[in-house]
Amino acid sequence: QQQVKQSPQSLIVQKGGISIINCAYENTAFDYFPWYQQFPGKGPALLIAIRPDVSEKKEGRFTISFNKSAKQFSLHIMDSQPGDSATYFCAASKGSNYQLIWGAGTKLIIKP
Amino acid sequence: SAVISQKPSRDICQRGTSLTIQCQVDSQVTMMFWYRQQPGQSLTLIATANQGSEATYESGFVIDKFPISRPNLTFSTLTVSNMSPEDSSIYLCSTGDRTGRVRGYTFGSGTRLTVV
Repeated sequence: QQQVKQSPQSLIVQKGGISIINCAYENTAFDYFPWYQQFPGKGPALLIAIRPDVSEKKEGRFTISFNKSAKQFSLHIMDSQPGDSATYFCAASKGSNYQLIWGAGTKLIIKP
Repeated sequence: SAVISQKPSRDICQRGTSLTIQCQVDSQVTMMFWYRQQPGQSLTLIATANQGSEATYESGFVIDKFPISRPNLTFSTLTVSNMSPEDSSIYLCSTGDRTGRVRGYTFGSGTRLTVV
């Protein structure tokens, strides 16, 4: 019940295309859903996050779509660029517990 | 958000020895966490470093193997003790704090440890 399932494991997208990464959770107590971006040799960096009281959040080319009834959320990267090539992690946490439950990660490659 | 300096960035160590990793934050933070990440894998939480009290360890991790110190709100260390090749991994420290509705989790760049 604590798991966050992420797919796909890897993704190749042409430059200018839309990259979509999906996550699913089971614990309805989760109330914070961030996405992290990690480049090789670096720690993860917060990209965008959403709470379950909204269905979508957009920041520049990055959008989170949230489906509370399906217990799913996804990251959409519009106009994908080679600089977006990285590993992306979804995560979830609940209440005042700061502990993040992590997805398995998606290695994204944007082909020029 | 907080800025974290983690060192060393990488090290190659002999089996049976210990390595202490330092994590310095540029501001006071409530929560500090230590993670392990195998290359190409997700993050596994080792423990939560509590200021003024013992760290809280996750299942599969013990204090004798991974002693943690948190002497103040800006600094923590993780020691990997009596190392074996299975301890080769990337170790990351992270802070967690709250500003309004935003929960900030900032990561250091990690320590890439190789045990030979």
